[in-house]
Amino acid sequence: DAKTTQPNSMESNEEEPVHLPCNHSTISGTDYIHWYRQLPSQGPEYVIHGLTSNVNNRMASLAIAEDRKSSTLILHRATLRDAAVYYCILRPTSGTYKYIFGTGTRLKVLA
Amino acid sequence: NAGVMQNPRHLVRRRGQEARLRCSPMKGHSHVYWYRQLPEEGLKFMVYLQKENIIDESGMPKERFSAEFPKEGPSILRIQQVVRGDSAAYFCASSPLGQGKNIQYFGAGTRLSVL
Repeated sequence: DAKTTQPNSMESNEEEPVHLPCNHSTISGTDYIHWYRQLPSQGPEYVIHGLTSNVNNRMASLAIAEDRKSSTLILHRATLRDAAVYYCILRPTSGTYKYIFGTGTRLKVLA
Repeated sequence: NAGVMQNPRHLVRRRGQEARLRCSPMKGHSHVYWYRQLPEEGLKFMVYLQKENIIDESGMPKERFSAEFPKEGPSILRIQQVVRGDSAAYFCASSPLGQGKNIQYFGAGTRLSVL
């Protein structure tokens, strides 16, 4: 199973953009890149996913490197409610599609 | 459209008892995944089920743990003769299809405490 590497923790000031990096150097050509976040005492919440092209939705943007060996989740204006653990996950398009969670990045947002 | 429903939210058991965790997937979803999260750790895959079939149980402990997803009713994760090490949060997720691009929707989890 392909593995992802993320910084353990990051801090951001409220109302500022946040760039959360993820390395996935062993990604295969058909693995999708999924991002989830987990707020305290809650289940993981879907944020965004992509394959090759950059993606935008109402929550965030996903920038995928040209060689696909890394990606960056971008929160355009961090709020206190964005404080969570963010997980970058590779989801294969074959097999059983299970998620392999790493330890994620704990984002702290400062008021 | 109701989300993934898990119950109970909190479950306390004494060592040696049985724990039954229930998961009702989102409407129209026929794929269910169970994950376990130990304190301060990421989620670990346990089992993947479709209706009446276990597709992948590579993450399930070999003994005491079982899962089912019957034709009617919720998916059940059953832990027999619980031990303190089973204390964790157990999350269920569902998806409409098993293909790579489809996302999994998670429930709020069941927090099992073994005394």
